[in-house]
Amino acid sequence: DAGVTQSPTHLIKTRGQQVTLRCSPKSGHDTVSWYQQALGQGPQFIFQYYEEEERQRGNFPDRFSGHQFPNYSSELNVNALLLGDSALYLCASSSWGYENTEAFFGQGTRLTVV
Amino acid sequence: AQSVSQHNHHVILSEAASLELGCNYSYGGTVNLFWYVQYPGQHLQLLLKYFSGDPLVKGIKGFEAEFIKSKFSFNLRKPSVQWSDTAEYFCAVNAQNYGQNFVFGPGTRLSVLP
Repeated sequence: DAGVTQSPTHLIKTRGQQVTLRCSPKSGHDTVSWYQQALGQGPQFIFQYYEEEERQRGNFPDRFSGHQFPNYSSELNVNALLLGDSALYLCASSSWGYENTEAFFGQGTRLTVV
Repeated sequence: AQSVSQHNHHVILSEAASLELGCNYSYGGTVNLFWYVQYPGQHLQLLLKYFSGDPLVKGIKGFEAEFIKSKFSFNLRKPSVQWSDTAEYFCAVNAQNYGQNFVFGPGTRLSVLP
């Protein structure tokens, strides 16, 4: 049973470019959330997708957008990259609903903006 | 808005010492509480969780945590740490009324000396 898989593992981009990160949720999960973890900090919630719609969003600008596909996988897109976007981007999957909100995390994509 | 604070940025212990990591959250409603661990180079893993019921919860690897509602606290404990417990520990909160996004604390880095 595969856990949460993210690709790529590492990425280097130039300021102003655009980037797409990918996530496949754990088998049986239908909800994908994305987090940004800056160095030395805890993960910060970006947004969450369920049934191919953005359900919740954290305090991130519109440069951050996402998509969920019918197979529950998801993409995170960041436009007009800034140096401050350098971080570990984590994907978490879970089952939709309020009773059991345990999330499983992928290993993340390390994005470096130069 | 929800927030989570963790009392210590870096804790250094010798093997067999007892551990207590503090966590306080700010939110007036009903919450789910979690402790996640991030071993070097690995993904975030769930140590334990509290949804309801007995405020003393036991997790994996001998960890336990106590939820004290009146103090908005969810402290993590372990009677005797091992070198393999060296990792980053994150306290996280999920407000039951707001879906499945987590608010993480800044993390506590635990270094266990052999």
